[in-house]
Amino acid sequence: DGGITQSPKYLFRKEGQNVTLSCEQNLNHDAMYWYRQDPGQGLRLIYYSQIVNDFQKGDIAEGYSVSREKKESFPLTVTSAQKNPTAFYLCASSDRGYNEQFFGPGTRLTVL
Amino acid sequence: RKEVEQDPGPFNVPEGATVAFNCTYSNSASQSFFWYRQDCRKEPKLLMSVYSSGNEDGRFTAQLNRASQYISLLIRDSKLSDSATYLCVVNGGGGSYIPTFGRGTSLIVHP
Repeated sequence: DGGITQSPKYLFRKEGQNVTLSCEQNLNHDAMYWYRQDPGQGLRLIYYSQIVNDFQKGDIAEGYSVSREKKESFPLTVTSAQKNPTAFYLCASSDRGYNEQFFGPGTRLTVL
Repeated sequence: RKEVEQDPGPFNVPEGATVAFNCTYSNSASQSFFWYRQDCRKEPKLLMSVYSSGNEDGRFTAQLNRASQYISLLIRDSKLSDSATYLCVVNGGGGSYIPTFGRGTSLIVHP
């Protein structure tokens, strides 16, 4: 089955810790994206990558970092510099161009 | 930066009703348009693409009006299971391939 997987589904972090969220896709898509969604809010773009070994900041990149060493994988690290990291994190992928995105099931991060 | 605007609702309708949502976008050069459905605490899922000629999928009809820069979604014979948030997505324009999401319109279908 083709699709996007994210892990873990739930993640708890202590203040001051870095955590890494996994995103893997087997759709052979070039582009991958990370979004953050807060309760009752829309999606906000954190980072995106349109090709391996290249990525760009989105609207709210501060406190986050990414890598794109493989086409299938686009992990997101939430660093201790992110002041309010509790949120629902969604990873998506798409073919290059103006095509639709497909989303993973999301990771719900809570800072204790 | 291009913007996409939606009425957040909620739209509260009885089963069997017809309901319509609009979404306006500011970038006239936008290339592609989509409606997504998002259930509570779940990921968005593609509902349908939107074309200038209009397209229909069962009880759902989507339309694009490029002159007025809006897209619409019509749901006929609403079901309880249609209750969700509907996200409007616009892509392209100015050389950007990054989609812009509206904040969503909440639909509640009651018995």
